[in-house]
Amino acid sequence: GQNIDQPTEMTATEGAIVQINCTYQTSGFNGLFWYQQHAGEAPTFLSYNVLDGLEEKGRFSSFLSRSKGYSYLLLKELQMKDSASYLCAVVDSNYQLIWGAGTKLIIKP
Amino acid sequence: DTAVSQTPKYLVTQMGNDKSIKCEQNLGHDTMYWYKQDSKKFLKIMFSYNNKELIINETVPNRFSPKSPDKAHLNLHINSLELGDSAVYFCASSPLSLAGDVETQYFGPGTRLLVL
Repeated sequence: GQNIDQPTEMTATEGAIVQINCTYQTSGFNGLFWYQQHAGEAPTFLSYNVLDGLEEKGRFSSFLSRSKGYSYLLLKELQMKDSASYLCAVVDSNYQLIWGAGTKLIIKP
Repeated sequence: DTAVSQTPKYLVTQMGNDKSIKCEQNLGHDTMYWYKQDSKKFLKIMFSYNNKELIINETVPNRFSPKSPDKAHLNLHINSLELGDSAVYFCASSPLSLAGDVETQYFGPGTRLLVL
């Protein structure tokens, strides 16, 4: 079967750095998305990786290792507004999105 | 200015009723989706339409019927609502999705359905 694993919840301090991991086992791979979802709101696009390596976009970076079936989202200089759920989603061989359950990130002052 | 809009935002109804949720996108996208997000926060694809044609139909009870009058609209009709249908339903859209293309999906604000 297809599987996406993320930690259920993480806590970090304002101003710090946090890394949210995602491991996947899917039938084929055509890229990996990270989405941010604030409570009660819609998911919004953060990043898309299809090649190995790190992609940096401001305070957020996303890393991919296809051989390890592994990705992480790195958030720097955490702000209170970063409190949200972070969803990992993999595009499988049929170009369908397989979603993880998300990681709820709690930021403390 | 809203890119993907859904109505209603909240829907509280009795078991056994029939209800519809509407979705519209003004992004000029060719593909639209319906997702169900349950209490465990899993996003599950229900349907996908490309240019008014059904391309994904996951294992969903046939009480759920999508209707796409044009490529900017994808409505979801639910018959004989059950308690287990309570969830948040998200509509999403993406540009033309062909084999070999991966496109970002843009989500609507969600419809919170509560069946009593």
